[in-house]
Amino acid sequence: RKEVEQDPGPFNVPEGATVAFNCTYSNSASQSFFWYRQDCRKEPKLLMSVYSSGNEDGRFTAQLNRASQYISLLIRDSKLSDSATYLCVVNAFNYGGSQGNLIFGKGTKLSVKP
Amino acid sequence: NAGVTQTPKFQVLKTGQSMTLQCAQDMNHEYMSWYRQDPGMGLRLIHYSVGAGITDQGEVPNGYNVSRSTTEDFPLRLLSAAPSQTSVYFCASSYSIGVQAEAFFGQGTRLTVV
Repeated sequence: RKEVEQDPGPFNVPEGATVAFNCTYSNSASQSFFWYRQDCRKEPKLLMSVYSSGNEDGRFTAQLNRASQYISLLIRDSKLSDSATYLCVVNAFNYGGSQGNLIFGKGTKLSVKP
Repeated sequence: NAGVTQTPKFQVLKTGQSMTLQCAQDMNHEYMSWYRQDPGMGLRLIHYSVGAGITDQGEVPNGYNVSRSTTEDFPLRLLSAAPSQTSVYFCASSYSIGVQAEAFFGQGTRLTVV
C-alpha cells in the first residue's frame, strides 16, 4: 500500500460545481496533514492544513478522519482559477528513516470548464 | 522577501557530467529538503537537513550528494548524471519539522540528461 494515495483524476467539472477529493494514508502515526496546490509547471504551494476538527477557508473545506486514515477536500462553487493539481500531503514523525518529512500523494488534477 | 530561490531554472547535461543545483532561502528556516518530481510518481524526497551541518537521506538519495554549511544554503550535487535523473527538482524549506509546519518551495529546476 502506498503511503499516501489519491485518485489521479482528471476531474473535469463546470464552473460553479462542487467537487470533492479524497486521500488515504497508511501510517497511523502521521501527525500533520495538508492540501497543497500545484499549477502547471509551477511549484507546490500550501492550500490549507487539515485538522481533526475539520477546517474551512472560504469555498474550501478540509476534513480528517484519523480512525479511517482518510483526508478530504471539498471545493464549492468552482472557479476557472481552481484548475490545478491538488496534492495530499502527510508529515509523519518517526516514519522510517525520514522523521518529520513530507510525504506527497501523486496529486489529483482538476479542470474547471466555463 | 525572496523566499526560496533555486538556480538554474533549466539545465541540459550530458551523461556522466556533474553539476550542482543551488538552493537558498532567506527566511531563517532550519529545515530544508530536495525533492524530485516525475510524471506519475509525485514528489519524492532525495535528501533533507534539519540544520546547518546535519543532512540525511530521503527516499531516493542514490546519485546525489548534499551539504549544509550555512542555514541559508542547501546545494544538491549530481555526481555523474544519468538519463534516469531527468526530472524537475524542487528545493523546500520550513521553519521546523514540527506539527503543521508549512513548506515553502522554490520554483524548480528542470533538468534533462542526454
